[in-house]
Amino acid sequence: NAGVTQTPKFQVLKTGQSMTLQCAQDMNHEYMSWYRQDPGMGLRLIHYSVGAGITDQGEVPNGYNVSRSTTEDFPLRLLSAAPSQTSVYFCASSYMGYEQYFGPGTRLTVT
Amino acid sequence: AQSVSQHNHHVILSEAASLELGCNYSYGGTVNLFWYVQYPGQHLQLLLKYFSGDPLVKGIKGFEAEFIKSKFSFNLRKPSVQWSDTAEYFCAVNEWSQFYFGTGTSLTVIP
Repeated sequence: NAGVTQTPKFQVLKTGQSMTLQCAQDMNHEYMSWYRQDPGMGLRLIHYSVGAGITDQGEVPNGYNVSRSTTEDFPLRLLSAAPSQTSVYFCASSYMGYEQYFGPGTRLTVT
Repeated sequence: AQSVSQHNHHVILSEAASLELGCNYSYGGTVNLFWYVQYPGQHLQLLLKYFSGDPLVKGIKGFEAEFIKSKFSFNLRKPSVQWSDTAEYFCAVNEWSQFYFGTGTSLTVIP
């Protein structure tokens, strides 16, 4: 199986543009999450989901939306991109309470 | 909510030196504990995990970690590091299906 996949790998946006980062997993995991990674700040949780139709906010949710219509997919939407959202974004999935499997990441630059 | 502290932000070692990276979480409870490694330009990969039982757990590539419940600690160790261990290391705690990550420790191993 492919594990956790993310697209795109790289993206450049202008301030104010919107876009969706895609995340999919084929392991039938209930739990999926989005993190951003910035130098010196580790991983910060943006949003997470414990199952289809259920999402919740993490530590840094402002400026981002998520939905979970299927077990496999968990897209992250940037509503109006800002330079402060320049980061590397990782999607992860797991069975509840177990180790997370991470996708390869999306490097986003907002100019 | 838990907070996870990694006391060493940047560690530089010579090959064959021993490694110990500290990790503390903020309070007791039923937690699962993890160490992840991120090689340059890659996503996070699981090194080892602790759920219950023997507090000394062994992971991949010769790493081990010891869970000390009374100290809320889960320190990572390796007796002899190699140049290929150069990476960023993250400690993570899972409580009630919520993951909390430390800010990471950057390890540089000098040949």
